[in-house]
Amino acid sequence: NAGVTQTPKFQVLKTGQSMTLQCAQDMNHEYMSWYRQDPGMGLRLIHYSVGAGITDQGEVPNGYNVSRSTTEDFPLRLLSAAPSQTSVYFCASSPYPGSNQPQHFGDGTRLSIL
Amino acid sequence: AQKVTQAQTEISVVEKEDVTLDCVYETRDTTYYLFWYKQPPSGELVFLIRRNSFDEQNEISGRYSWNFQKSTSSFNFTITASQVVDSAVYFCALSAQSGGGADGLTFGKGTHLIIQP
Repeated sequence: NAGVTQTPKFQVLKTGQSMTLQCAQDMNHEYMSWYRQDPGMGLRLIHYSVGAGITDQGEVPNGYNVSRSTTEDFPLRLLSAAPSQTSVYFCASSPYPGSNQPQHFGDGTRLSIL
Repeated sequence: AQKVTQAQTEISVVEKEDVTLDCVYETRDTTYYLFWYKQPPSGELVFLIRRNSFDEQNEISGRYSWNFQKSTSSFNFTITASQVVDSAVYFCALSAQSGGGADGLTFGKGTHLIIQP
């Protein structure tokens, strides 16, 4: 049971490059989210999805794009990377409201923008 | 809007000491859920506990205990007889839904706990 899988684990980009961070879950969870973690800032929500075809913005959405074509996958796209996007990115999934299962997190992607 | 405050940025104690991590939250929801996560040096997020707003009973799990007080909007975490393996960043989080919800969790900034041998 893989849970939430994020790829890659590490990536270095140059300013202006584009990239897609992959996130896949095998628990048939409806809800998926992307967070970024910066030193001293905790985790902040970037985008989230309540199901296939439905996405919405979180606290810090600028510079990021998402789509949800299947229940399993929720990729995060950086269209033109900027140094301010250097961070650790976490993908998470959670089941329907009222479930006893807490939010499951992937192991994170450490992204550096030069 | 929801807010979680972890005022202690870093705590350093000697092994076997007891340590309490503070968490204060703000929400207008009458039903809400509070969480604690551990982030060890390896970087992953480890779920520790979830508590709903209707259950103010304290929780104990081995050396870990949690004190939820609605009157002070606090959900504090105590480690008894701390060990070096407890060294990590600990996050308190809040959500209107039990699973963390459609719009995710609101996290505090975290407390870096250092246990010295």
